[in-house]
Amino acid sequence: QVQLVESGGGVVRPGRSLRLSCSASGFTFNIYSIHWVRQAPGKGLEWVAVISFAGSNQYYADSVRGRFTISRDNSKNTVYLQMNSLRDEDTAVYYCAREVNPYSSSSDYFGMDVWGQGTTVTVSS
Amino acid sequence: SYELTQPPSMSVSPGQTASITCSGHKLGDKSASWYQQKPGQSPVLVMYQDNKRPSGIPERFSASNSGNTATLTISGTQPMDEADYYCQAWDSSVAGVFGGGTKVTVL
Repeated sequence: QVQLVESGGGVVRPGRSLRLSCSASGFTFNIYSIHWVRQAPGKGLEWVAVISFAGSNQYYADSVRGRFTISRDNSKNTVYLQMNSLRDEDTAVYYCAREVNPYSSSSDYFGMDVWGQGTTVTVSS
Repeated sequence: SYELTQPPSMSVSPGQTASITCSGHKLGDKSASWYQQKPGQSPVLVMYQDNKRPSGIPERFSASNSGNTATLTISGTQPMDEADYYCQAWDSSVAGVFGGGTKVTVL
């Protein structure tokens, strides 16, 4: 079945780095853009980043630009989120999600129809 | 930065219509989507590209987007619709911002 599975979460000290992975199965991975969305404890959803289906375009939220990098390896059906210079406020459940339409680019992202179960990142000293 | 504003909460009686608003500057010029999230679960897309319904989402869910306001409407609300609902807007200038969420209580 169509599935996204996140991994790589954990407890990390402020200023350190962590890399999350999002592994896809059950669909043609290399034609879909993939987003990362996070949710701090007891808070709402926050969009984090997106990478286009071919990996040629990336967008970031202001809160993570310059610290986080999204990338993908279509040969492994996997998207990554490299998180550097982590802060307390980065503590959240991180979800990866599939863009609803295939072959979408920066001008036409319309929604996220498949979500993973999330992986928890805790930044604490 | 771009902001989307939703009412924090609302209540609706079973069988009645719930309308959840999402306000943002020239939101109608952007693409809006809506998500349902129940406690302890991942979000579920219920409407996208302003007014399209994904497969498997009941027809009682509909949406519109014009001017500065997007609206999610749940007709004939059922107890299973009790959840948090989030709007999201996308365009290349603001990226993928979410609203603060609306907690819908069915009672």
